[in-house]
Amino acid sequence: DAGVIQSPRHEVTEMGQEVTLRCKPISGHDYLFWYRQTMMRGLELLIYFNNNVPIDDSGMPEDRFSAKMPNASFSTLKIQPSEPRDSAVYFCASSLVQGPEQYFGPGTRLTVT
Amino acid sequence: QQQVKQSPQSLIVQKGGIPIINCAYENTAFDYFPWYQQFPGKGPALLIAIRPDVSEKKEGRFTISFNKSAKQFSLHIMDSQPGDSATYFCAASCGFFSGGGADGLTFGKGTHLIIQP
Repeated sequence: DAGVIQSPRHEVTEMGQEVTLRCKPISGHDYLFWYRQTMMRGLELLIYFNNNVPIDDSGMPEDRFSAKMPNASFSTLKIQPSEPRDSAVYFCASSLVQGPEQYFGPGTRLTVT
Repeated sequence: QQQVKQSPQSLIVQKGGIPIINCAYENTAFDYFPWYQQFPGKGPALLIAIRPDVSEKKEGRFTISFNKSAKQFSLHIMDSQPGDSATYFCAASCGFFSGGGADGLTFGKGTHLIIQP
């Protein structure tokens, strides 16, 4: 079975540009999570969805960040405008409602110059 | 405020040794404690997890010990191998086993483990 799929795997952009990260959760999973990993702050939860509905977005750092889940098989994390301090690896994870186990995708490494 | 404190930051162990990684938490509402393993350039992979009503759980060479009163839990790797060299993260979440549904994970800062041949 395919795991969590993220695209692109690498993104390099200039400050001020819009960035869109994409995630396809494991089929049948009800929960989708977005995390950010940096050397300084480690792994941080940004936002998560249950059945396509955002449940907790308290980890979203600023209004420049937004996330959507238009259907059960697709989610986006958008940064507009991007800044150099947004450079990080962004992970998407999914889980079943029947269990707390979260399965992570390979991540998107974002570099903002 | 760091809710899950992990130590040590880095650890070097000889092959066959037993590395031990420790975590402490503050939020007594946490009811699910997983450990993740991450290799360079990869996403975290779930290794083993425990609930607070269990004091120990073993899966293969990996063991979690849990001390609810001390709010601490640890990962032991038996007969460690060079292939175990990776970064290990402890994590915690709350609400699932109390009926609140899944919740986001709060991670420790990670332990960079090297197993020397």
